[in-house]
Amino acid sequence: DGGITQSPKYLFRKEGQNVTLSCEQNLNHDAMYWYRQDPGQGLRLIYYSQIVNDFQKGDIAEGYSVSREKKESFPLTVTSAQKNPTAFYLCASKESQGAHEQYFGPGTRLTVT
Amino acid sequence: AQSVTQLGSHVSVSEGALVLLRCNYSSSVPPYLFWYVQYPNQGLQLLLKYTTGATLVKGINGFEAEFKKSETSFHLTKPSAHMSDAAEYFCAVSRPAGTALIFGKGTTLSVSS
Repeated sequence: DGGITQSPKYLFRKEGQNVTLSCEQNLNHDAMYWYRQDPGQGLRLIYYSQIVNDFQKGDIAEGYSVSREKKESFPLTVTSAQKNPTAFYLCASKESQGAHEQYFGPGTRLTVT
Repeated sequence: AQSVTQLGSHVSVSEGALVLLRCNYSSSVPPYLFWYVQYPNQGLQLLLKYTTGATLVKGINGFEAEFKKSETSFHLTKPSAHMSDAAEYFCAVSRPAGTALIFGKGTTLSVSS
């Protein structure tokens, strides 16, 4: 089955710790995205990558970092510099620059205390 | 700059009633428009999309949306609500060059029996 997997589903961390969220896709999509979702705020773009070894900041990149060493993988690190890291994180992918619709993973709910 | 406004953060209907979820967009270029649905603690699922061509777009689960350029709207409708339609719905517009999507803040649909 082709799709996007995110792990883990739920993640708990102490304040001050970095944490890495996994996103893997086997759809052979070129572009991948990370969004953050907070209640009543919709989805906000953190980082995106249109090709391996290249990525761009989105609207709320501060306190986050990413890498894109493989086409199928786009991990997101939430650093201790992120002021309010508790949120639902969604990874998405898109086939190519010619396509516009994105396909989403199941999400990871991060709680930092 | 692109933007999306969803009118009404919460819509309640009775089972069997018409569903109407409103979305207005702002775009400096011909828009690509999308509706996604999200069930609790899950990722987003694409309901339908407008790219070019026919302005009335049919999607999954009996939903449809009409692109009205003169009104800059892309409202989502379903003739008869079902209990399983209860979820959060997001309207989105594609950014220039198709790099990412801009989402509205979402509308929660409640369906009562």
